[in-house]
Amino acid sequence: GAGVSQSPSNKVTEKGKDVELRCDPISGHTALYWYRQRLGQGLEFLIYFQGNSAPDKSGLPSDRFSAERTGESVSTLTIQRTQQEDSAVYLCASSPPAQMNTEAFFGQGTRLTVV
Amino acid sequence: QKEVEQDPGPLSVPEGAIVSLNCTYSNSAFQYFMWYRQYSRKGPELLMYTYSSGNKEDGRFTAQVDKSSKYISLFIRDSQPSDSATYLCAMKKTNAGKSTFGDGTTLTVKP
Repeated sequence: GAGVSQSPSNKVTEKGKDVELRCDPISGHTALYWYRQRLGQGLEFLIYFQGNSAPDKSGLPSDRFSAERTGESVSTLTIQRTQQEDSAVYLCASSPPAQMNTEAFFGQGTRLTVV
Repeated sequence: QKEVEQDPGPLSVPEGAIVSLNCTYSNSAFQYFMWYRQYSRKGPELLMYTYSSGNKEDGRFTAQVDKSSKYISLFIRDSQPSDSATYLCAMKKTNAGKSTFGDGTTLTVKP
């Protein structure tokens, strides 16, 4: 009965390094979302996966950001050549087919700090 | 100007008070309206989810959507200290992946 699992929970990296963030959605959830939350702000959409459809990548802020999803399971968000403005909490959410119009369950997030 | 505006607060109320949280928006294409509760250093938790206009009640929580005014509200009755958190509104167009979030209102309920 685990929820959405994200790893690592915290990541400190040096400017210019690449980082990979992982999301394990709830089993059976076809929709998966990535959002970014800067301190004291709301969530900023990054990317959306729905089943076998082409992902909606319209929120990725630059070509340094990419994401993949293996079938309807794990997803990874990769940030290349990290910059200080990439520092934020990266949140993953998944939704079952019956709730496909919401981000139903969020993970705890990965807190990324670029120094 | 942001598509979704939310009163930032902070909002402080005594235990047992009725709390009103509000968001306005500018995009008339939004059809799905959500409220999330977020405790410090945790992921958001979906509280209420409404399609189009109208009211929806779940326990102590009532969500209202007025599409003609582009205004949504979340009411919390008999507020409890455990309701102390940041509340985020979010909205989405039909068949869209992306939700647009407000910046959140921080609520403190004092015993």
